[in-house]
Amino acid sequence: AQSVAQPEDQVNVAEGNPLTVKCTYSVSGNPYLFWYVQYPNRGLQFLLKYITGDNLVKGSYGFEAEFNKSQTSFHLKKPSALVSDSALYFCAVRGMTTDSWGKLQFGAGTQVVVTP
Amino acid sequence: GAVVSQHPSWVICKSGTSVKIECRSLDFQATTMFWYRQFPKQSLMLMATSNEGSKATYEQGVEKDKFLINHASLTLSTLTVTSAHPEDSSFYICSARDYRGGTYGYTFGSGTRLTVV
Repeated sequence: AQSVAQPEDQVNVAEGNPLTVKCTYSVSGNPYLFWYVQYPNRGLQFLLKYITGDNLVKGSYGFEAEFNKSQTSFHLKKPSALVSDSALYFCAVRGMTTDSWGKLQFGAGTQVVVTP
Repeated sequence: GAVVSQHPSWVICKSGTSVKIECRSLDFQATTMFWYRQFPKQSLMLMATSNEGSKATYEQGVEKDKFLINHASLTLSTLTVTSAHPEDSSFYICSARDYRGGTYGYTFGSGTRLTVV
């Protein structure tokens, strides 16, 4: 069975400091991985995805993520956090099994709080 | 980029009535759409997969007679919550899958806050 985990319920960071949101996955074969951000009472906004190719993926709003196959991780990073980055972040993996093919499976989410 | 429009943004209805939520892909055709339910500060729970021109596929534990899904065109899927009760109050989000640049992407609507009183 495949799974995706976000080990931190909340990440607190001061504005201007680096931001990292952790994600680990478990899939058979090559994973398709995604990061989304959700602001209160809103849908999910796409940040970036890894399908194949370079392990460092650059996305929207200055975010990037590094795919690490040996550690089965796909951590989201931003060099300098903004207060406006405060939101709920979701890591997701695309289903690869017969029952889950094509569906996104989400992690539990990580609340990011950036303080001025 | 891909845009998905979801309406209404919020709705309040009386217990026992039905509510319809629409999800439209505005600039692409979506043969597959997904419906999710989200409780406060929790992750998204997939309710069903909607395929254009065929019956929706529901996840285990989701009542298909309560949550009616129709995907009659390549740009529109609807979720109808029938005989709504307070426990159906939740945030409902749709997503459309598109194929661009050789890969699949998933674009989400802005969500619908349903409150049943």
